[in-house]
Amino acid sequence: EAGVAQSPRYKIIEKRQSVAFWCNPISGHATLYWYQQILGQGPKLLIQFQNNGVVDDSQLPKDRFSAERLKGVDSTLKIQPAKLEDSAVYLCASSLAAGHSGNTIYFGEGSWLTVV
Amino acid sequence: GDSVTQMEGPVTLSEEAFLTINCTYTATGYPSLFWYVQYPGEGLQLLLKATKADDKGSNKGFEATYRKETTSFHLEKGSVQVSDSAVYFCALLNQAGTALIFGKGTTLSVSS
Repeated sequence: EAGVAQSPRYKIIEKRQSVAFWCNPISGHATLYWYQQILGQGPKLLIQFQNNGVVDDSQLPKDRFSAERLKGVDSTLKIQPAKLEDSAVYLCASSLAAGHSGNTIYFGEGSWLTVV
Repeated sequence: GDSVTQMEGPVTLSEEAFLTINCTYTATGYPSLFWYVQYPGEGLQLLLKATKADDKGSNKGFEATYRKETTSFHLEKGSVQVSDSAVYFCALLNQAGTALIFGKGTTLSVSS
C-alpha cells in the first residue's frame, strides 16, 4: 500500500518569497493533516481536513499560510510571504476517519523548508 | 489543555543496553497513546500504540504500557541496537479523536 506522498522534499527560499507544498494521502483516507515541526520540537498541527472541509485551522497563521483540499483528495499548503521562523519540516498525514479512539494517523516523509 | 511531557535528551547508550524513555500526559478522559519514531532525514513512523488503560503496545522489541494511575506511557527496550538511533516522540490523540498532540521528542544515540 502506498504511503502519504509529499513534494518537494527540500526547498530553500529567501524571506518574503512564497512556497507551496503538495500532499497526496493514502488512498481512501478521508482525513488529512498538515503539521509543522520546528527543529528540536514535536510536530504541531496547522490544519485538519475532513474530505474537502476544514475541521480545525486554529493554529494556522492565516495572514501568511493557506491550505486547500479542493476535491477531498490531495492538498496544497502555501506560505506567502515566508519569514525566517517558518523554517521547519512540514509534515502531511492522513487517517481513515477522525473521531474514534483507534484512529491511526500515518505521516509522509515531510517537506523540509529553509528560509534565508 | 491536553499535553505530553517527555524526558529530555539526548539519551546515549551502548549497544545491548536497556532503554527507558519516560512519557507522561495530561488530558481529559483516557486518550489513545502513541510512540512515533523519526530516523534521520525521514518522516514520522508509528512505532506502537495503546488505546485503553493497562494496554501494552509492542513492536520491534519496544514496549510501552498505558498506566492511567500515573498518566504515563514509558517506552522500553531490553537491548538496543545501533539502528535504533533516532528521535522518539510520545503523543496522545485528543478527546475528539481528531488530532495528535506530541511531546518535544527524545533523541536516542546508540554506539557499538
